[in-house]
Formats: sequence, structure tokens, C-alpha cells
Amino acid sequence: AQTVTQSQPEMSVQEAETVTLSCTYDTSESNYYLFWYKQPPSRQMILVIRQEAYKQQNATENRFSVNFQKAAKSFSLKISDSQLGDTAMYFCAFMKLSNSGGSNYKLTFGKGTLLTVNP
Amino acid sequence: GAGVSQSPSNKVTEKGKDVELRCDPISGHTALYWYRQSLGQGLEFLIYFQGNSAPDKSGLPSDRFSAERTGGSVSTLTIQRTQQEDSAVYLCASSFYMNTEAFFGQGTRLTVV
Repeated sequence: AQTVTQSQPEMSVQEAETVTLSCTYDTSESNYYLFWYKQPPSRQMILVIRQEAYKQQNATENRFSVNFQKAAKSFSLKISDSQLGDTAMYFCAFMKLSNSGGSNYKLTFGKGTLLTVNP
Repeated sequence: GAGVSQSPSNKVTEKGKDVELRCDPISGHTALYWYRQSLGQGLEFLIYFQGNSAPDKSGLPSDRFSAERTGGSVSTLTIQRTQQEDSAVYLCASSFYMNTEAFFGQGTRLTVV
């Protein structure tokens, strides 16, 4: 079974600064995806960024980037130029890829980090 | 529809009553998932549908929980004889078969009093 650990229950950052959220995971699988999801007060989970385990290059989406360390099983999220709208719960998630090639299967989530961006 | 739609948005029910939660996935998405989000437990996987069949029901916490999907579209999660520990936000997500991104609805907040 896979486990995902987010060791920071809460974090805060000043607007325009950079913050890094930590995530570690444990798996014996070699083929998987990792995700960061954002959940604002509206409750809707929004995908922030995705990383395929077979890719060595770290994923980047505008102000969001990851530091993927496969050997260390670490997957941190860096948010640059933080904005007030970034205030939300952030969840790290793991998905094992199925053998059939279809990769739609269950996500295993960490317990989340509540990020507050202060003006 | 444009996104995953869940209804009701909020539901308050008395202990012992049955409830039905509905999920309308994005049109064309063949995979559908139910998750439960409760304080202290984080997000837990409940069940996964591929089309109308459920290859993985391993997350359903007890036999009071059941789910079905019809026409490869709408899904209903039913909780019988609700208990206070069933209080949580129930999230539904859907994804296109060969695409890994799961799109979530806004959830149903269930409160059992």
C-alpha cells in the first residue's frame, strides 16, 4: 500500500514571497504519478501540477513548480510570487499506474497543508 | 456539463435515516470516483467506476454504503441507517479513460444529527 505524508499542517507566507510545501511518499511501485491539488474554501479540488515518475525533469506550471526526488521519495511544491488567491488547503497525492496502461485509478492523498497568504 | 456536478450541496439528516448523494460527471468521462473527506482522516477513497462497473469497492467503510452508476454517467452513493461518524464531505471526481487528470465536484457536506 502507498502512503503520502505532508509534515506541515499549516504554513503562512507574505504576499509576493516564495513558499515550499513538503511531501514524502512510500511505495514499492516504479510507475506512478504524483499530484498537487488545491482546495479553496469552495471545497472544489483543483489540480495544480502533475509529475510522471519516469520523467526526471521537474514539472512547472507558471508560478508553481515541484522538486521531485525519486530516490528520496520526496515531492515538494514551490509557489513563487505568492498571491492572496493561493490561500487554500494543498494536498499531495499519489496514483499507481495500472498494468493495462489506463491510468485512471484511485488517488492516495496526504492529510494536507493549510497555506495562508498574508497581505 | 461543463464540470462535475454534485447534489445536494449540503444535507442534514437524522441518525438512522437513509441518504442518497448524486454525482453527475463530465460528459464523456468513463471513470468516476467517490472520496470521503472528514476531519482527522483526510481524503479517503471509497469506490471507483469504469463505465457502469465498479472494479474497486475496497474503500467502502461498511455494508451500509453502496453506490451505483447507470448509463455510464450519473452515480448515486447511498448510505443506509446513517450514523454520526458518517458526517463528512463526500467528493466525486471523473476522468477520461486515457487521461490521468481527475476533475472534482464541489462535494456534498453530510451532517448526521
